[in-house]
Amino acid sequence: SQTIHQWPATLVQPVGSPLSLECTVEGTSNPNLYWYRQAAGRGLQLLFYSVGIGQISSEVPQNLSASRPQDRQFILSSKKLLLSDSGFYLCAWSGGNWATYEQYFGPGTRLTVT
Amino acid sequence: SQELEQSPQSLIVQEGKNLTINCTSSKTLYGLYWYKQKYGEGLIFLMMLQKGGEEKSHEKITAKLDEKKQQSSLHITASQPSHAGIYLCGADMAGTASKLTFGTGTRLQVTL
Repeated sequence: SQTIHQWPATLVQPVGSPLSLECTVEGTSNPNLYWYRQAAGRGLQLLFYSVGIGQISSEVPQNLSASRPQDRQFILSSKKLLLSDSGFYLCAWSGGNWATYEQYFGPGTRLTVT
Repeated sequence: SQELEQSPQSLIVQEGKNLTINCTSSKTLYGLYWYKQKYGEGLIFLMMLQKGGEEKSHEKITAKLDEKKQQSSLHITASQPSHAGIYLCGADMAGTASKLTFGTGTRLQVTL
């Protein structure tokens, strides 16, 4: 079966510090991978998606970046965090060798920037 | 305004009662996905609808996509405390099946 992992689960970082969130998928190959942010009282905002290694599409201009160094690994980074970066970050996958249309989500990382 | 509107924003129902959540799009939907989220957790996939008039059921939850493919409803029959959470609809508006636009969610509470 397919599983998706995110870590850390929670993170408290000061303004101006760097960020690295990791997402890994097991049980499928060549998935589409996504990073979303969910701010309080708002819906899910798509930040980045990737259809393959090294292929990243950015949906919203911001001080965040994403990388996909391996087929089933997706990393969200920032060089300097802003207060507005606080939120709940979700990673998701779809497609892969199961050819699913629906997206499956990880457990999320709650980021608080102080 | 939002491309995808969900209503109501929140709902409190007594256990055993039926309820309906709506998701309305300003554009034709190539696919409509329903998810459930418990606070502080990831989203759990419930159902996907693609064809106009399509209806799917899982246990006591039924989802429908209207003929014009611009509105979907999620109906829960005989609600239980386990149904409590946030329900989100996600829509494929571009026909790519890879990027989804999500509604802001409906928070459901089920009282005893």
